[in-house]
Amino acid sequence: DVKVTQSSRYLVKRTGEKVFLECVQDMDHENMFWYRQDPGLGLRLIYFSYDVKMKEKGDIPEGYSVSREKKERFSLILESASTNQTSMYLCASEQGYEQFFGPGTRLTVL
Amino acid sequence: KNEVEQSPQNLTAQEGEFITINCSYSVGISALHWLQQHPGGGIVSLFMLSSGKKKHGRLIATINIQEKHSSLHITASHPRDSAVYICAVWTSGTYKYIFGTGTRLKVLA
Repeated sequence: DVKVTQSSRYLVKRTGEKVFLECVQDMDHENMFWYRQDPGLGLRLIYFSYDVKMKEKGDIPEGYSVSREKKERFSLILESASTNQTSMYLCASEQGYEQFFGPGTRLTVL
Repeated sequence: KNEVEQSPQNLTAQEGEFITINCSYSVGISALHWLQQHPGGGIVSLFMLSSGKKKHGRLIATINIQEKHSSLHITASHPRDSAVYICAVWTSGTYKYIFGTGTRLKVLA
């Protein structure tokens, strides 16, 4: 079974802090994704990566950056956290149109 | 207008009832997924469809490509089926995965 893990289930940060969310997959997938999920808005794509060091902006990249130095690891960075970034963050890896999701990180920015 | 629309948004059923959740989309697709998300966050894929019908246990998913419509059916519903069900499509031509906003299902014992 494909396993996608995320570094934290719950995270509380203060406004202005730099926040790192990490995602690791164990199936050698090339494509990885970061989403945020908010009530009434569903899942929205922040960034995706189709190879090491390659990244593409999704629908809502503002205020975020990503890093993919190794194939199995895709990191989401909030350069200066703001309260409107309080959300559930979900990572996924994909192969053959099949997405595999991590358990999610619920981030609260105070 | 969203490119992927689900109905209903919320659904409450009694245990044992037959449940249908609908998904309509307005884009060309390569594949359609039905996903399940339990409280706490994790999302699992139930079905991937590009045509026809699939069945897994008490769950049945159908798709009509001409009408751009898919349905997820749950037979003999159970409280453990309570979750958010999300329809998502891979668009054809462009590499894009578009989600519906989900249907929140609650099955009462």
